[in-house]
Amino acid sequence: SYVLTQPPSVSVAPGQTASITCGGNNSGGKSVHWYQQKPGQAPVLVVYDESDRPSGIPERFSGSHSGHTATLTISRVEAGDEADYYCQVWDSRTNNYLFGPGTQVTVL
Amino acid sequence: QVQLQESGPGLVKPSETLSLTCNVSGGSISSDFWSWIRQSPGKGLEWIGYIFYSGSTHYNPSLAGRVAISVDTSRTQFSLHLSFLTPADTAVYYCARSPQRDFLYFDNWGRGTLVTVSS
Repeated sequence: SYVLTQPPSVSVAPGQTASITCGGNNSGGKSVHWYQQKPGQAPVLVVYDESDRPSGIPERFSGSHSGHTATLTISRVEAGDEADYYCQVWDSRTNNYLFGPGTQVTVL
Repeated sequence: QVQLQESGPGLVKPSETLSLTCNVSGGSISSDFWSWIRQSPGKGLEWIGYIFYSGSTHYNPSLAGRVAISVDTSRTQFSLHLSFLTPADTAVYYCARSPQRDFLYFDNWGRGTLVTVSS
């Protein structure tokens, strides 16, 4: 079965850049989407279709994909970016939505 | 802007059936894909299943046999029924929307409702 992997945690100083990776154990070609979840809140879509942003999401959030690894980049990190971030794909072989285990971003 | 709101019991007993409803406001339910997703305490996200507005459904194989999702377009709501509950089903349950034009992601979520399975 298709499995997504993410680093458990990433720490970054304010104003610096945070990079969160999402790896797949199968062939590429799956479009990756990213969600931000703050404590006690529902997830919020921050990047979809690899690199598109929903309206209202700052340009500081960007996505990219190379080979079997997708990356969410948060530029000029702010204290309010501290949250868990999840990647997600649609597995067309099983018609299932799959989420990565999540990465906790800590702003130092 | 479409808004989703979950409702249902906060506490259910083992072996019973959980029934949750998601009310959709500010837009039409007669399009798009409507999903249930859950998150166990301190854990990650698990997709449960979706229903298309026409009524067709698809469920996570790990829960197939215990889950059913239905839609009531006249009342702009859809529902989750999860049977044979165990404490492992304790989680925050979210309803969410995937746009019909690009159903690959969830662009709108409810706030979630905590369900505890305990005797």
